[in-house]
Amino acid sequence: EVQLVESGGGLVQPGGSLRLSCAASGFTFSSYWLSWVRQAPGRGLECVANIRQDGSEKYYVDSVKGRFTISRDNAKNSLYLQMNNLEVDDTAVYYCARDPANGSRYPNRYFDLWGRGTLVTVSS
Amino acid sequence: SYELTQPPSVSVSPGQTATITCSGDKLQTKYVSWYQQKAGQSPVLIIYQDLKRPSGIPERFSGSNSGNTATLTISGTQAMDEADYHCQAWDTSIAVFGGGTELTVL
Repeated sequence: EVQLVESGGGLVQPGGSLRLSCAASGFTFSSYWLSWVRQAPGRGLECVANIRQDGSEKYYVDSVKGRFTISRDNAKNSLYLQMNNLEVDDTAVYYCARDPANGSRYPNRYFDLWGRGTLVTVSS
Repeated sequence: SYELTQPPSVSVSPGQTATITCSGDKLQTKYVSWYQQKAGQSPVLIIYQDLKRPSGIPERFSGSNSGNTATLTISGTQAMDEADYHCQAWDTSIAVFGGGTELTVL
């Protein structure tokens, strides 16, 4: 089955750190751009980071630059998001999402596969 | 940074046509995608590259993009279409989403 499964969410205090993981199965993981997209409670979606197939390009939304790091391990079919210096406004469900550009140097710029998400709560 | 604006809510009667808009500066120069998100579930792609439907998405869903506004149209709206709808474009190497529109079928 083609799927993405996130893990690693939980409750953390402001200023703390958390590492999210996304395990992929059912497709050639190393051929796809991947992203982390978050959704704060009752709010819209926000793409926080994306990464090219080989990890050579990474992009971040301004609000997380310098605090979050996206990475991947193609041998383990896994995507990661290291989150440091967490703020209350980072509270959200975090989804990993796939861009359908299979093996392309450039992304198609939309998401055809989403995981179920993992909840991150930043609170004292 | 680039912004997309959607109405917070839209209501429609069953069988009627629902129209959800997404506005952004010179939006017609970008491809727009649309996602449906039902309560407690992950988003699902329903329109990409302005007007294309992925396999398995009903024909009653259609999209357009002109000027500063992209539009998602649901013809013959059904009760099962009640959900949040999110538009998405791309800006400087990262995706940008609208605030989402809650569609109520009543």
